[in-house]
Amino acid sequence: DARVTQTPRHKVTEMGQEVTMRCQPILGHNTVFWYRQTMMQGLELLAYFRNRAPLDDSGMPKDRFSAEMPDATLATLKIQPSEPRDSAVYFCASGKDGPEAFFGQGTRLTVV
Amino acid sequence: QKEVEQNSGPLSVPEGAIASLNCTYSDRGSQSFFWYRQYSGKSPELIMSIYSNGDKEDGRFTAQLNKASQYVSLLIRDSQPSDSATYLCAVPNSGYSTLTFGKGTMLLVSP
Repeated sequence: DARVTQTPRHKVTEMGQEVTMRCQPILGHNTVFWYRQTMMQGLELLAYFRNRAPLDDSGMPKDRFSAEMPDATLATLKIQPSEPRDSAVYFCASGKDGPEAFFGQGTRLTVV
Repeated sequence: QKEVEQNSGPLSVPEGAIASLNCTYSDRGSQSFFWYRQYSGKSPELIMSIYSNGDKEDGRFTAQLNKASQYVSLLIRDSQPSDSATYLCAVPNSGYSTLTFGKGTMLLVSP
């Protein structure tokens, strides 16, 4: 069945290390969103792409986060260097033209 | 920046009762709203969308929109323990391209 696939599901890393999260959107969807969820802030939009073009990454800390979409079936979110405050669940979601987002299972990141 | 406010709960209801979840929003120009359900440890799942004033029904779920008062509600009839989850309200941005989410209301349905 159609779903967004994210890897890894869990990641524990040490402060200062690079973290790469990957996402395969639903086939036929042209929009990819990256959201971060924490208890304090809830779900926050980090970045989104439409037709592989980055349209808004104002939610990301620019100095350490980067998002790319090398092809239509792969989106990546990188954190370098990682910090303990980056610990959160990172969700990739995809959609078709509008804001409706269909979420992947998430990557639970812990930075120690 | 649009704001979406929800009571964090938990809202506790007995099995079979009606659960009423509310959401208020700051942008009077908002035209559509989305409700997501998120089980503990899982990802958000879209369950309802509403685009105009009034009610929209889908099975046991009814979404109600009142633009004049700037609130949107989700009613769950005949609540079941399996409905226990956090319910997130979301509003599109002005470009209708992304969603701003509330922090969610936790619903607990007791057998």
